[in-house]
Amino acid sequence: TQLLEQSPQFLSIQEGENLTVYCNSSSVFSSLQWYRQEPGEGPVLLVTVVTGGEVKKLKRLTFQFGDARKDSSLHITAAQPGDTGLYLCAGAEETGANNLFFGTGTRLTVIP
Amino acid sequence: DTEVTQTPKHLVMGMTNKKSLKCEQHMGHRAMYWYKQKAKKPPELMFVYSYEKLSINESVPSRFSPECPNSSLLNLHLHALQPEDSALYLCASSQDFDVGYGYTFGSGTRLTVV
Repeated sequence: TQLLEQSPQFLSIQEGENLTVYCNSSSVFSSLQWYRQEPGEGPVLLVTVVTGGEVKKLKRLTFQFGDARKDSSLHITAAQPGDTGLYLCAGAEETGANNLFFGTGTRLTVIP
Repeated sequence: DTEVTQTPKHLVMGMTNKKSLKCEQHMGHRAMYWYKQKAKKPPELMFVYSYEKLSINESVPSRFSPECPNSSLLNLHLHALQPEDSALYLCASSQDFDVGYGYTFGSGTRLTVV
């Protein structure tokens, strides 16, 4: 089982601020995904990155996959209260097995 | 239909009870998964079914028994659970052997063992 460490673990910011969440591992992944989970609900997929160095944008969210495919970052611009939630990165093994392992999570609170 | 449906949403059971959790998807996904999520923790993989066959069992105690009756349905049979098994149980599905498409999760079953 790979270990995906996310930082920070908790983040509380004011509306309008920018933030970056990091996801790091010593393992190489065939793909890496980011999810957001709200209390009492299942995780919802935000993005999948598969190519080293890949950058994807989803409105105010920017996702980057590290060149070596061992790490990723999520940057949110001008955070809004609706961005509040648990952000999870998840990696799929290089071997192609279809099992996904989740990072330790970042709990974001955006204060109006 | 782009959803994974889980029932029941909430379940309270005694340690001697037998119950089942159900999961259904009609997206044609051929891989389905059970995850367990304790409070304030990330989901932990329990079982993976691929083309209706159990392909991964992450050292889960035998009091949890998965079943995949067909490509759209996934069950998790529970028997003689312990209070520490209380958690949110999540079902997910994906296009088989291509996790690049991401997983679709259900809303989960909140299980309490008393």
